[in-house]
Amino acid sequence: DAGVIQSPRHEVTEMGQEVTLRCKPISGHNSLFWYRQTMMRGLELLIYFNNNVPIDDSGMPEDRFSAKMPNASFSTLKIQPSEPRDSAVYFCASRRSARAGELFFGEGSRLTVL
Amino acid sequence: AQSVTQLGSHVSVSEGALVLLRCNYSSSVPPYLFWYVQYPNQGLQLLLKYTTGATLVKGINGFEAEFKKSETSFHLTKPSAHMSDAAEYFCAVIPSGSARQLTFGSGTQLTVLP
Repeated sequence: DAGVIQSPRHEVTEMGQEVTLRCKPISGHNSLFWYRQTMMRGLELLIYFNNNVPIDDSGMPEDRFSAKMPNASFSTLKIQPSEPRDSAVYFCASRRSARAGELFFGEGSRLTVL
Repeated sequence: AQSVTQLGSHVSVSEGALVLLRCNYSSSVPPYLFWYVQYPNQGLQLLLKYTTGATLVKGINGFEAEFKKSETSFHLTKPSAHMSDAAEYFCAVIPSGSARQLTFGSGTQLTVLP
């Protein structure tokens, strides 16, 4: 059974460029989460979706960040324009709604903004 | 609001020695508690969880944790460390019966010495 699939695994870009991170959740999971991990701030919840609907985006740092979930099997996190302080590992995770706290994480997308 | 405190950002043990990683929580309602493990360059993986019932819970790879309400603790233990246990460990909490999401601790990096 495939796990959460994220792409790209690594992205190096220049300041000001648009970055799009992609996530395919586990089939049958109806909640999806985007996290950011840095040494300074640890794990931060950016946004989560339930049944493709954004429920809480209070963790999104600013308007440069946006996330979409057009269907149950795909989500994107976009940063436009990117800045060096956005450099981090971005994780996508999914779960069944009834299984509170039992998240399945992807391997992450390591973003470096020069 | 709930929070999680992990005492010790770095713990070193010798191979074969007891592993003890500390976690204390604060929650206004009975919590659900979790331990996750993150191996290098990977996403987080659920080790074990406490929701209700038996306060001593067993997880994967020989780890276990005990929920102690009087001490507001959920420490993670393993009787005998193996080199493959070297990873970062995260304690997390979610108030039971709540739609709120996981709050992660800051993590403890476990080093296993030969």
